[in-house]
Amino acid sequence: NAGVMQNPRHLVRRRGQEARLRCSPMKGHSHVYWYRQLPEEGLKFMVYLQKENIIDESGMPKERFSAEFPKEGPSILRIQQVVRGDSAAYFCASSRLQWREGAYNEQFFGPGTRLTVL
Amino acid sequence: DAKTTQPNSMESNEEEPVHLPCNHSTISGTDYIHWYRQLPSQGPEYVIHGLTSNVNNRMASLAIAEDRKSSTLILHRATLRDAAVYYCIWGGAQKLVFGQGTRLTINP
Repeated sequence: NAGVMQNPRHLVRRRGQEARLRCSPMKGHSHVYWYRQLPEEGLKFMVYLQKENIIDESGMPKERFSAEFPKEGPSILRIQQVVRGDSAAYFCASSRLQWREGAYNEQFFGPGTRLTVL
Repeated sequence: DAKTTQPNSMESNEEEPVHLPCNHSTISGTDYIHWYRQLPSQGPEYVIHGLTSNVNNRMASLAIAEDRKSSTLILHRATLRDAAVYYCIWGGAQKLVFGQGTRLTINP
């Protein structure tokens, strides 16, 4: 069973360009989470999606960032007009079921996409 | 934010037990305690979780204080591959709130 896949693993963009990060969850998983890890900092939750729905986007920056998880295909994290402060590692995770009290589903993380903005 | 307090770093020797402490004094009665670890240049990896009782799995043991305000992750025989940043997290499993974690160094 393949794990969570992310591509590209490394992405270099110039300021003002767009960055598209892709995440394919584990087989059978329909819940996807995106986290960002700035240099020398801990991971910060960004967004939680199910197929075709955004469940929790409380960690997403208000501008330039968007995420989707279409019915078919990978989840996409899109960053428009990138700035140097967007340089970070972006991790995607997936889980099998929606978390609810009394049931536990751990998150499985991908290897991350390391975005560098020149 | 679901605040936890962990030592910034710890060091141990290979094949010795390691006890990684965590304080989570503001945890509520229904919140899980989770541990994840992040090996160098990799994504985080689930280690273990618990609610009230101590827990064991193939990777580690989790000892939870009776008042649930602290917990300890126990690696019974550390190997070099256990060198990582260990994160103690509490709350739901949906939106993980990572702190700074403990950087564990294993000496050969």
